[in-house]
Amino acid sequence: AQTVTQSQPEMSVQEAETVTLSCTYDTSESDYYLFWYKQPPSRQMILVIRQEAYKQQNATENRFSVNFQKAAKSFSLKISDSQLGDAAMYFCAYRSMNYGGSQGNLIFGKGTKLSVKP
Amino acid sequence: DGGITQSPKYLFRKEGQNVTLSCEQNLNHDAMYWYRQDPGQGLRLIYYSQIVNDFQKGDIAEGYSVSREKKESFPLTVTSAQKNPTAFYLCASSIDIVFTAFLGNTIYFGEGSWLTVV
Repeated sequence: AQTVTQSQPEMSVQEAETVTLSCTYDTSESDYYLFWYKQPPSRQMILVIRQEAYKQQNATENRFSVNFQKAAKSFSLKISDSQLGDAAMYFCAYRSMNYGGSQGNLIFGKGTKLSVKP
Repeated sequence: DGGITQSPKYLFRKEGQNVTLSCEQNLNHDAMYWYRQDPGQGLRLIYYSQIVNDFQKGDIAEGYSVSREKKESFPLTVTSAQKNPTAFYLCASSIDIVFTAFLGNTIYFGEGSWLTVV
């Protein structure tokens, strides 16, 4: 079974600075997707960025980028020019490309709470 | 606007009672999901449905039941058999489970419902 581990329960960053959130995962599959979701105080889950395992190029979305190391099974999220609105829980998630049973399901880590200081 | 609507936002249940959480989507998505979130935890899958009149158990289905009589609706009933129902519940949807898994289509989330047992 696949697992996702986020080893930093809480992180803090100064406004306008850069912060990196860590995520590692365990899988025997070669084809999968990885995601970062943001959960602000409103509790709605918002997709931040996704990475296809078959792509070597790291995904970027504006101020958000990932460092995907497939061999190391590592998927970190970098937030540049941090803003107060970035304060939230961030969840790393894994999804298999192989459909079968609940294989299309997202497997989540326990999250990292990010605080942004003004 | 297109999206996923969950109701009620807050619900209190007495011991021994069944309660039903509503989830409606107007995104024309075939696949719908129910997740449970506990404090300090990621999301865990309760049930999912690929299509009308079909649904499958997720990782923590015991004490829960669902129905899928209409494409846009996927209500979750928390039964008295659920030993620890106090949690935050999130409904989600995606275009199609197979394409969601294979193509990495996005899973969209509702705003969630808080259930507290009193």
